[in-house]
Amino acid sequence: RKEVEQDPGPFNVPEGATVAFNCTYSNSASQSFFWYRQDCRKEPKLLMSVYSSGNEDGRFTAQLNRASQYISLLIRDSKLSDSATYLCVVNRDGGFKTIFGAGTRLFVKA
Amino acid sequence: ETGVTQSPTHLIKTRGQQVTLRCSSQSGHNTVSWYQQALGQGPQFIFQYYREEENGRGNFPPRFSGLQFPNYSSELNVNALELDDSALYLCASSLQDGNEKLFFGSGTQLSVL
Repeated sequence: RKEVEQDPGPFNVPEGATVAFNCTYSNSASQSFFWYRQDCRKEPKLLMSVYSSGNEDGRFTAQLNRASQYISLLIRDSKLSDSATYLCVVNRDGGFKTIFGAGTRLFVKA
Repeated sequence: ETGVTQSPTHLIKTRGQQVTLRCSSQSGHNTVSWYQQALGQGPQFIFQYYREEENGRGNFPPRFSGLQFPNYSSELNVNALELDDSALYLCASSLQDGNEKLFFGSGTQLSVL
């Protein structure tokens, strides 16, 4: 079993749809959590950090449930430009080890 | 842009050869991490350097080694290249401040023939 697991995808949604990505992690010592976005043939870029209290950045909402070791990302009112791979990321060992999930590919269609 | 630069952008090697990839970190960042990303997969953690020392390592064999220099730039060396080493190699810089946000370079695409 992989340490960070994500929905396999791909997700195909129309513009304006709401889409949710799920992620679970197995190491309870994990300390910090992130969502990254990766466009085709490009490097990953930080989308947002994830906190237990939940955090929102415009159309994006991230949530962490430490008890269930579960992370989510919600995208509302999807845009064509949201098409990308979304990577769930977990950091542990005092910040010395960062583990990426395999990513979930999102296609937003007109 | 992140300010993290990697060189070269593309490289073709043959099995058994050795390769060195380079990375310049973002100004002010003291930590560099290296990742291997195969097609269709997420980045796999190779190792991290902080203050010129390796302080975290993923499940990669010893033929993957690295260095960090006093200016925080870094090298990834891979010896005895294998076909499965063909991948995108990503360097990320960060500030070891408990925040651990990573800023990636655009990567080196390595092909082993």
